[in-house]
Amino acid sequence: DAKTTQPPSMDCAEGRAANLPCNHSTISGNEYVYWYRQIHSQGPQYIIHGLKNNETNEMASLIITEDRKSSTLILPHATLRDTAVYYCIVRAMGTSGSRLTFGEGTQLTVNP
Amino acid sequence: DAGVTQSPTHLIKTRGQQVTLRCSPKSGHDTVSWYQQALGQGPQFIFQYYEEEERQRGNFPDRFSGHQFPNYSSELNVNALLLGDSALYLCASSLQMTNTGELFFGEGSRLTVL
Repeated sequence: DAKTTQPPSMDCAEGRAANLPCNHSTISGNEYVYWYRQIHSQGPQYIIHGLKNNETNEMASLIITEDRKSSTLILPHATLRDTAVYYCIVRAMGTSGSRLTFGEGTQLTVNP
Repeated sequence: DAGVTQSPTHLIKTRGQQVTLRCSPKSGHDTVSWYQQALGQGPQFIFQYYEEEERQRGNFPDRFSGHQFPNYSSELNVNALLLGDSALYLCASSLQMTNTGELFFGEGSRLTVL
């Protein structure tokens, strides 16, 4: 699976949009971009995934650049409960099973 | 609908001992995977079980072994414990036929080796 690069930490004001970047310049054509988050003392939680089109669900939006070498996870109205470590993961659909390669992620702190 | 449940939540062992951790998957899921998360690091894949067989394995020594039961629950066994085995052990469940990469994680078992 391709390697990802994320900033170690970010801050965001409550109520504002949080934009978390991820670089995956070696991504292959059959690899998807996944985002998980881990709130302190809990297990990771799936947020969203996509291949090349932008995706949106009730939690977040995922914007993938046209060349697919980077992506941005957007939390449109961050709350204090969104404070967590956010992991960007690249995974090949169909061949990876339940193997996810986690990096060190981005610690997002939402401030009041 | 119960999510993924793990037991025990915390345990302390000494070097050389053996430990067994247990996991019940989310209702309707048939695949269980185990991850190790050291302090300050992201989770690392240990192995995956489906149809009571180990299907994939990460870069972990044979001291780490597992089992899946007919009801899809699973155990992780670690023999000859080392200080470096101290970590949060996470269980994740999924449905093999969908294989979407959406895993449901439990809250983990925190193992301390003294």
